[in-house]
Order: sequence, then structure tokens, then C-alpha cells
Amino acid sequence: GDSVTQMEGPVTLSEEAFLTINCTYTATGYPSLFWYVQYPGEGLQLLLKATKADDKGSNKGFEATYRKETTSFHLEKGSVQVSDSAVYFCALSVQTSYDKVIFGPGTSLSVIP
Amino acid sequence: KAGVTQTPRYLIKTRGQQVTLSCSPISGHRSVSWYQQTPGQGLQFLFEYFSETQRNKGNFPGRFSGRQFSNSRSEMNVSTLELGDSALYLCASSTAGIRETQYFGPGTRLLVL
Repeated sequence: GDSVTQMEGPVTLSEEAFLTINCTYTATGYPSLFWYVQYPGEGLQLLLKATKADDKGSNKGFEATYRKETTSFHLEKGSVQVSDSAVYFCALSVQTSYDKVIFGPGTSLSVIP
Repeated sequence: KAGVTQTPRYLIKTRGQQVTLSCSPISGHRSVSWYQQTPGQGLQFLFEYFSETQRNKGNFPGRFSGRQFSNSRSEMNVSTLELGDSALYLCASSTAGIRETQYFGPGTRLLVL
């Protein structure tokens, strides 16, 4: 069945370090891919998305490229800040006989000064 | 534009009771989706309503139900509460559905004793 796998946290980085959070998926059809972020005490908000192969989503210095050949959508940022501390969720949506959306388990990121 | 609002923010119920949660979407959004978030199962899709009709449904028992009103506001009802229903319930709205960018509310935290 359709699923999303992402690296489990927690991930702890020093400020200005490079961030990669791996996300791979299995899906029937052609999914859209998303990264959502949940800051402490807040609801989820969309970070970036890509709707077809080779699309690159970007926002707030974060980037992710839709790689169909490796079924991946890894999240990267060149220099993290303390304010990036949050939980990051990779998700896919796909249409089969009906629409569905599946979230990964989330990766907790802590950035220390 | 006002964001997605959910009421109440916190609820404590006992086993066997029922509960109704409310969600007001962003103005103009016709799609409202509901999610359950728990530490063990992560974020799971419950159902989506669009123009007062349930359009998509996740894999939850019939104790979980919902409805949407003509102004797009939505309610979710859980009957015969179980301890395992303790969770953060998130509502999200979008213009076209769960395959598009969703905007999440802050959630209702339900504790079942």
C-alpha cells in the first residue's frame, strides 16, 4: 500500500549546520509530495510541495526535489537556525479510486546555539 | 484572512461518552479534512468534506463521523469514547481538496479518562 518513510528523530544540530531529513515513499499512481512543519504549540503549516517528478519545492531556505527514480523527497537546508526547531512531516497525496493523504511519522529537529 | 479555528481547544471526557468538535475553515475554502494525531500512530486522515458531502474517508471505525454545513463549517463526532481516542484532532481546510495545500488549525486536544 501507499506509505511514507522518514528518518526518525530526534535530530540535534548546531546553528548554521547543514540539514538533511530523508523521506521516501511508495505510492500507486502519481502522488503530490509535501513537507509540513509543526512548531512547538502550533498547528501544522505547509513548508513546501512538489506535484510532479523533478519539481523542486523551496521556502524559507528549505528545499526538496521530487525524485521519481528513487521515490524520494529529501528536505535540505544549508544553514539551520534555532528558530527552525520543530517537527517536520513528509506527506503524500494520491488519487486512486478516491483521494488519500498519508503522513510520515515526523522528524523532531532541535537546533542549539 | 482569518485562519482555521477549532473549538474547543481542550476537552476531558470519560469512556463511553460522546464528543463533538468544531472547525471553521478559512473563508472561501470548501474542503475540510480531519486528522487524528497520536504519539503512537502519528498523523492519520479521518475524512474530508467538500460542499457538505463526505468525499474521502480514512480507515477509522464508524464511531467517528462528521458533517459539514452550508457555510463550510464542519463538526466531527466521536461516540462511545475509548481510552485510545485520546489524541490531538486537527482540522484542515483547502480550496479544492486534500490533494492541494491544506491549512491546519491549532487542534483540539481530547483526553479520555
